[in-house]
Amino acid sequence: AQSVTQLGSHVSVSEGALVLLRCNYSSSVPPYLFWYVQYPNQGLQLLLKYTSAATLVKGINGFEAEFKKSETSFHLTKPSAHMSDAAEYFCAVVEAGGTSYGKLTFGQGTILTVHP
Amino acid sequence: ETGVTQSPTHLIKTRGQQVTLRCSSQSGHNTVSWYQQALGQGPQFIFQYYREEENGRGNFPPRFSGLQFPNYSSELNVNALELDDSALYLCASSLGSGASYNEQFFGPGTRLTVL
Repeated sequence: AQSVTQLGSHVSVSEGALVLLRCNYSSSVPPYLFWYVQYPNQGLQLLLKYTSAATLVKGINGFEAEFKKSETSFHLTKPSAHMSDAAEYFCAVVEAGGTSYGKLTFGQGTILTVHP
Repeated sequence: ETGVTQSPTHLIKTRGQQVTLRCSSQSGHNTVSWYQQALGQGPQFIFQYYREEENGRGNFPPRFSGLQFPNYSSELNVNALELDDSALYLCASSLGSGASYNEQFFGPGTRLTVL
C-alpha cells in the first residue's frame, strides 16, 4: 500500500523567501511522485513529476523537487516566493507497475501563504 | 485542444437523493478517473474507467457508481446521498491505463453540497 505524508498543513513565507514544502511517501514498489497545485475553486495543476529518471526534477513556475530514496522524501522548493504562489499544494504517489490502475494517492495538502 | 470539463460546477442536494456528475475527457484520452476531495483534505480515488470498463476502485461503497461512454466521457452516480458526501468531485483524464502511469489531467471539479 502506498501513502503520502505532508508535514505542515500551513506554511507562511515572505515574498522573495525560500519556499520548502515537505513530503514523505511510503510505497512497496518504486514510486512515481508528483506535486500538484490547487488555486481556490479550481482543479489540480501538475507542477512536476518524478518517474525514475533524474532525481532532481524541475517543474513549472520555478519549482523543483528532489527524490531521496534513502529518506523516502520528495520535498518541493522554490528559491524565491512570489505572491502568485499562494495556493494549496498536494504531493501524490502512484506505484509504477503492478495493478496500480493509475491510482493517485494524495497527501493532506499544504496551504502556502505569501506575505508582502 | 479541449481540456477536461465537468458539469455542473455546483450542486445542492438533500440527504437520500441521487446525483449524477458528468465529465468530458481531454481530446484523445480514453481513461477517466474520479476523485472525491472533502473540505481540507487531499483528493481520494473513487474509481477509474478505461475503454468503458471499470479498471480499479478505491474504498468507496457501491452506491458510488460510474459509467464511461464510447466517446470516453464519463458519469459519476451517487445514490442515497449522505451528509459526508459533500465534497469537490474531480475528474481526471489520461491516455492508456494499466501498469504504466500516464499523466492525468484534472477538470475544475463539481462542488456537491448535501443538506
